[in-house]
Amino acid sequence: EAQVTQNPRYLITVTGKKLTVTCSQNMNHEYMSWYRQDPGLGLRQIYYSMNVEVTDKGDVPEGYKVSRKEKRNFPLILESPSPNQTSLYFCASSYQVASGELFFGEGSRLTVL
Amino acid sequence: GQNIDQPTEMTATEGAIVQINCTYQTSGFNGLFWYQQHAGEAPTFLSYNVLDGLEEKGRFSSFLSRSKGYSYLLLKELQMKDSASYLCAVKPTGGFKTIFGAGTRLFVKA
Repeated sequence: EAQVTQNPRYLITVTGKKLTVTCSQNMNHEYMSWYRQDPGLGLRQIYYSMNVEVTDKGDVPEGYKVSRKEKRNFPLILESPSPNQTSLYFCASSYQVASGELFFGEGSRLTVL
Repeated sequence: GQNIDQPTEMTATEGAIVQINCTYQTSGFNGLFWYQQHAGEAPTFLSYNVLDGLEEKGRFSSFLSRSKGYSYLLLKELQMKDSASYLCAVKPTGGFKTIFGAGTRLFVKA
């Protein structure tokens, strides 16, 4: 089954404790992206990757890092989480950068205390 | 700046037709998408417009006017399961980013 898989789905952590949210897709998509979704603000893009070893900042990259060492994986790293990073995070992938629809993972709800 | 506007909430009756509007101001244009998102779930793709006009797909249609920076999503023969948020998203020039509107929550009542 074609899918985007994120882990963990739910996480409660404390300020400053490094964490990684994994994302994996099995559709051989070149383009992958991370979004956060907050009430009233919609989905905001954190980082995106056009291919292996090619990443770039989205609109809200501060406090986040990403890597793309393999085509299928695109982890999101929070080196020192803060409460303002409490949010619902979505990973997405697309077969075509410009016109392709996004396929989303199920989301990861993160709470930073 | 880049901005996408859509109504926050709409209510419609089962069996009726509803139109959800979206206006956008972005640095260039490389396509407009509509996604559906049920509460607690991931967004799923509904439609894609890159040229002016109407794209029809079953009960859902999407319209685009690039000169006006305007799109709408038309839902016909509404069903209770259509209660969801509808997200308008635009790809600016370059196509590497996708900018989303805040979404329109649609309530379908019996």
